[in-house]
Amino acid sequence: QKEVEQDPGPLSVPEGAIVSLNCTYSNSAFQYFMWYRQYSRKGPELLMYTYSSGNKEDGRFTAQVDKSSKYISLFIRDSQPSDSATYLCAMRVRYSGGYQKVTFGTGTKLQVIP
Amino acid sequence: SAVISQKPSRDICQRGTSLTIQCQVDSQVTMMFWYRQQPGQSLTLIATANQGSEATYESGFVIDKFPISRPNLTFSTLTVSNMSPEDSSIYLCSVEGVSGLQETQYFGPGTRLLVL
Repeated sequence: QKEVEQDPGPLSVPEGAIVSLNCTYSNSAFQYFMWYRQYSRKGPELLMYTYSSGNKEDGRFTAQVDKSSKYISLFIRDSQPSDSATYLCAMRVRYSGGYQKVTFGTGTKLQVIP
Repeated sequence: SAVISQKPSRDICQRGTSLTIQCQVDSQVTMMFWYRQQPGQSLTLIATANQGSEATYESGFVIDKFPISRPNLTFSTLTVSNMSPEDSSIYLCSVEGVSGLQETQYFGPGTRLLVL
């Protein structure tokens, strides 16, 4: 079983739709949860960062973490064609001694149709 | 924030040859990371490069296959040696940083490698 599972999509939605992207994980040691956005032919860039269960909102984006279910989500409201990209979830665990490990999902490719 | 550039942006290589990828950061950083991104697979850490010491490789990756140099605090190279078609992938350079109050990783644009 992979530590992080993410549906690769592709996911195609009309402009203005609410998008829900999800990841599940198996390692209960994960402490920090991130969402990265990767445009075609570019490197990933951080979109959202959370470390506790609950919701975090930033503009049209809401990150949700449910540690009891080992489930995280990213919601995009009023989706725009410029949101078309691949979205990667990522999870970090920091060990004693300073070593830390980041595990990425496979990414979900999103296309927002005008 | 950190701005990262990579060279080459893409290349097509013959099996059995080697390719060296360069990564340049616009600020001094302690650690630089090299990742591989294969189609349908998650971003996978190859190794961590510290200036002045040997790189630390993740399970499944070895120095003979992926030698790394880190001559200073702004530059690193990754060599993909004795390439086979299975090495076809995007290779990404990354550094850690802080955006606002959040720890993050900054990534370069990637090097797209196709091995024939």
